[in-house]
Amino acid sequence: IAGITQAPTSQILAAGRRMTLRCTQDMRHNAMYWYRQDLGLGLRLIHYSNTAGTTGKGEVPDGYSVSRANTDDFPLTLASAVPSQTSVYFCASSDSGRANTGELFFGEGSRLTVL
Amino acid sequence: GQNIDQPTEMTATEGAIVQINCTYQTSGFNGLFWYQQHAGEAPTFLSYNVLDGLEEKGRFSSFLSRSKGYSYLLLKELQMKDSASYLCAVMDSNYQLIWGAGTKLIIKP
Repeated sequence: IAGITQAPTSQILAAGRRMTLRCTQDMRHNAMYWYRQDLGLGLRLIHYSNTAGTTGKGEVPDGYSVSRANTDDFPLTLASAVPSQTSVYFCASSDSGRANTGELFFGEGSRLTVL
Repeated sequence: GQNIDQPTEMTATEGAIVQINCTYQTSGFNGLFWYQQHAGEAPTFLSYNVLDGLEEKGRFSSFLSRSKGYSYLLLKELQMKDSASYLCAVMDSNYQLIWGAGTKLIIKP
């Protein structure tokens, strides 16, 4: 069982380019999340989805969009990348039945550098 | 605003005990969580406290005092593999997780 798979693991791209980070889970979890992690800061929630077909904005949604067409996939798109979006991005999921215990399952992360 | 405070870095000796503190100020409280994150890897869940007191799980224990807005993670019989960052997170009244910046724990032989 793979759990959560993110792709790419690392990417360098020019400012202004469009980029999609992929996230797939095989645990049939209802809830999925995108976080960014920057040095000296806690994980910050970008967007989330409580169930397929619904999405919501987190703490830092500007410049990012998501979709949740099915249970397994939750891609994150940067429409026009800027250097401040240089970060490590983590996708996570949780079983909504256990959401209140806060147990998130994380992917291995995608390191993005915008030049 | 909402705030989670934990030390940036701590150093301890292999075989010893270390306590990592976390204080929080949030809009409501629906539980406090500790995650472990090795360098370059994903965070993994360690513990969950929603009631006051100590929760023990092997070498790791987590304590919560809701009236003080305080928690600690206690690691016993430290091993080199315990070198990692430890993230404290609080679930607020909207069931959103608020994360601390993490404590980097360095274990020396």
